Amino acid sequence: AQKVTQAQTEISVVEKEDVTLDCVYETRDTTYYLFWYKQPPSGELVFLIRRNSFDEQNEISGRYSWNFQKSTSSFNFTITASQVVDSAVYFCALSGYNAGNMLTFGGGTRLMVKP
Amino acid sequence: DAGVTQSPTHLIKTRGQHVTLRCSPISGHKSVSWYQQVLGQGPQFIFQYYEKEERGRGNFPDRFSARQFPNYSSELNVNALLLGDSALYLCASSLHGTADSGANVLTFGAGSRLTVL
Repeated sequence: AQKVTQAQTEISVVEKEDVTLDCVYETRDTTYYLFWYKQPPSGELVFLIRRNSFDEQNEISGRYSWNFQKSTSSFNFTITASQVVDSAVYFCALSGYNAGNMLTFGGGTRLMVKP
Repeated sequence: DAGVTQSPTHLIKTRGQHVTLRCSPISGHKSVSWYQQVLGQGPQFIFQYYEKEERGRGNFPDRFSARQFPNYSSELNVNALLLGDSALYLCASSLHGTADSGANVLTFGAGSRLTVL
């Protein structure tokens, strides 16, 4: 069985602070994919990143960066110099190689960025 | 270009009734998946359809059913509604949908919020 744990249910920061959202996963698959999605108040999930299990390189995209550590089964997400527009619920998700479109989501972390 | 569109956006039903939710994928996308998101939780996978065939089913009772039409749009049906069925139902589409295509990037709609009284 697959499982994704996001231990932080809510985080509150002041604008321009850096913030890291934690994600820990469990899977027996040797090949798998990890995702982060953002859910603003409007409801739709917005894709942020996909990482496969063979690529442990960290990735940076503007103010966003991701740290994938297979040894600790973690895939953490850092927002640098947070902005009010970053306020949303963020979900980490996991999918097996042959899982098609079946994602296992974590419970989400609600990020509130205050001006 | 239109994204994934879902209808209705909100609806209220009573216990025992049935509901039909509709989804139109992004043009050119052949796979549609349905997820249930209970308030305060992450989405849970219900179904995946690709080329009008069911390709995956989550751990949901038989009261939940779905189908995909020749134009790749989809319907999710829920019979004998329970209070616990109250949730945001999300539809997602992807270009591909076969299991061996790897984990596809899903584009989600804004959802249909169902309240069961």
